[in-house]
Amino acid sequence: AQTVTQSQPEMSVQEAETVTLSCTYDTSESDYYLFWYKQPPSRQMILVIRQEAYKQQNATENRFSVNFQKAAKSFSLKISDSQLGDAAMYFCAYSSNTGNQFYFGTGTSLTVIP
Amino acid sequence: GAGVSQSPSNKVTEKGKDVELRCDPISGHTALYWYRQRLGQGLEFLIYFQGNSAPDKSGLPSDRFSAERTGESVSTLTIQRTQQEDSAVYLCASSLDGPLGYGYTFGSGTRLTVV
Repeated sequence: AQTVTQSQPEMSVQEAETVTLSCTYDTSESDYYLFWYKQPPSRQMILVIRQEAYKQQNATENRFSVNFQKAAKSFSLKISDSQLGDAAMYFCAYSSNTGNQFYFGTGTSLTVIP
Repeated sequence: GAGVSQSPSNKVTEKGKDVELRCDPISGHTALYWYRQRLGQGLEFLIYFQGNSAPDKSGLPSDRFSAERTGESVSTLTIQRTQQEDSAVYLCASSLDGPLGYGYTFGSGTRLTVV
């Protein structure tokens, strides 16, 4: 089974600074998708960014970008110009090209310091 | 509706009672998923419905758990004879496409507390 590991239970960043959240995964498949989700206290999971494994170019969405290293099976999230509203739990997730589910990491709690 | 709606938002039940959780997916979304999130943990897959196909029940942790969905509408997750380890947030998600790559739209979950 695929596993997703987030080794940073908690992270903090000063407002307007940049922070990187780490994620590694284990798979034997060559074609798959990776995601970062944000979960604020409202509990609703919000899609932040997605990456298709067959694309070498790293995905970006405004202040959010990823560093996708396929050979190393690493998928980190960089948040630039951090804002107070970025404070939340962040989950890394994996989906195969054929499976019926996502595999989630245990999350990183991000605190933004004013 | 505009989003995935789950009810109730919070539920406290006594050990041994049955509970039923409800999920209203986004209209037109053919795929629907249930996940469980224990305190401090990631999301665990429970069950997946896709249209009228047989559901993927591979994530259900025991026979006390069951779920139903009629067509592409509402789904209910039932937990019989609840145990304290069932305490968790139960999240529902739906998607227009299948599970391949487009992500889900999640509801806000039901927080179940078994006392």
